[in-house]
Amino acid sequence: DTAVSQTPKYLVTQMGNDKSIKCEQNLGHDTMYWYKQDSKKFLKIMFSYNNKELIINETVPNRFSPKSPDKAHLNLHINSLELGDSAVYFCASSQDNGGGYNEQFFGPGTRLTVL
Amino acid sequence: KQEVTQIPAALSVPEGENLVLNCSFTDSAIYNLQWFRQDPGKGLTSLLLIQSSQREQTSGRLNASLDKSSGRSTLYIAASQPGDSATYLCAVASFYNTDKLIFGTGTRLQVFP
Repeated sequence: DTAVSQTPKYLVTQMGNDKSIKCEQNLGHDTMYWYKQDSKKFLKIMFSYNNKELIINETVPNRFSPKSPDKAHLNLHINSLELGDSAVYFCASSQDNGGGYNEQFFGPGTRLTVL
Repeated sequence: KQEVTQIPAALSVPEGENLVLNCSFTDSAIYNLQWFRQDPGKGLTSLLLIQSSQREQTSGRLNASLDKSSGRSTLYIAASQPGDSATYLCAVASFYNTDKLIFGTGTRLQVFP
C-alpha cells in the first residue's frame, strides 16, 4: 500500500521528445507537488496543486505542464525535452491540518535522462 | 528570500557515536521545519516535523530541536548504527507560503562498523 507512487521509475529519451510522469497518492491529501533534484542533489519545488488548483509555479519553463485530473493525481508533462532537464523528479503530497502541521510525503522519484 | 544551510556537508563516524547535524535558515518566519532522510537512488523519508510553536520533536533515537530566533535546528542521532548511513535533509516551510518547502543541501552521513 504505497502512499505516493510515481511512474515510470526511469525514463531515458532523446532531446526534443515529449514525455509524461505520473503521480498518485492514496493518503487522501489535498495538496500535491513536483520537485526537481539536480545533479548536485539540490531539491527545489516546481509546482504545487491544492484540490486540482495550481498554487505554486516556481518560474519553471512553460515546456513543463502539470495536470491534476483529481486531487489524488498530479501528472507532469514535459515538451521538447532538453539536456538540462535530466534530473530526478519527485512527487509529494501533504494535508495541512493547521498550526504548522503540514508534513510532506514523497514518492520514490523518476530519474529522467535526456540524450 | 529564505536560504537553508546544512553543516557539515559530510560526516563519517564509527558505530555507536552520538552525533548532531546542523541546519540554519535566514528567515525566522517559518511555518514548520522538516527533517528527511534520503538513501542513494531512493525517495525522501520524512523523519520529524517541528511546528513553528514547538521547540523539539523526538522519534526513537532521533531528536530534532528548533530555535526560530537564531534560525537554527539540530538533528541529534543517538547511538548511531550503520543503517543510519544516508543523506539527511532539512527543509523549511515559510509562514507566508506554507506549502513551499525550501531545502538545505544535505549532510551525507556514513556510519561504519
